[in-house]
Amino acid sequence: SQKIEQNSEALNIQEGKTATLTCNYTNYSPAYLQWYRQDPGRGPVFLLLIRENEKEKRKERLKVTFDTTLKQSLFHITASQPADSATYLCALDRSGYALNFGKGTSLLVTP
Amino acid sequence: DGGITQSPKYLFRKEGQNVTLSCEQNLNHDAMYWYRQDPGQGLRLIYYSQIVNDFQKGDIAEGYSVSREKKESFPLTVTSAQKNPTAFYLCASSIGGVPGSYNEQFFGPGTRLTVL
Repeated sequence: SQKIEQNSEALNIQEGKTATLTCNYTNYSPAYLQWYRQDPGRGPVFLLLIRENEKEKRKERLKVTFDTTLKQSLFHITASQPADSATYLCALDRSGYALNFGKGTSLLVTP
Repeated sequence: DGGITQSPKYLFRKEGQNVTLSCEQNLNHDAMYWYRQDPGQGLRLIYYSQIVNDFQKGDIAEGYSVSREKKESFPLTVTSAQKNPTAFYLCASSIGGVPGSYNEQFFGPGTRLTVL
């Protein structure tokens, strides 16, 4: 069955460093992959989408890579700030425009 | 303001009662979705609808029902048949409608349902 794995352990980094989050998937050939941010008690917010034929996508301090051979996406936040602290979810496409979500990785950026 | 609204934010019900969660969007999106999120878990798809008067079961549809009579509304009923209904429920929408599109989903603020 299709499976999405995100690092279940929280990632703690110091302000100003680059945070790197991993999303691995198996039994999948997704057409695209999306990353969302979720704050406690709130709905997720879309950040970036990367297609299967794209290797890298950037948006301000965010960068996403997509390696369909390794079946992996990396999500980077450069020059991280305490306001970046949140849970980050990766999601892959499925039928009917719906998405399969990973469990998310919690990021804590300390001053 | 364009967006998705869910009401209420917190909902308490007694075991055995049906309860309906509201979801409304004014984004003119064709596709709408319901997800459930349990503590420390990802989002699990309950139902989705690609167009008015049509909807499909997701991965955990048992004990839930939906309707899509209007484009902007996609209410979810949690029935007494749902064995463990206490959870955080999220509604989302996306443009949909275009084959091969890769549209992102817009989420509502969620409803936290507690069954006593």
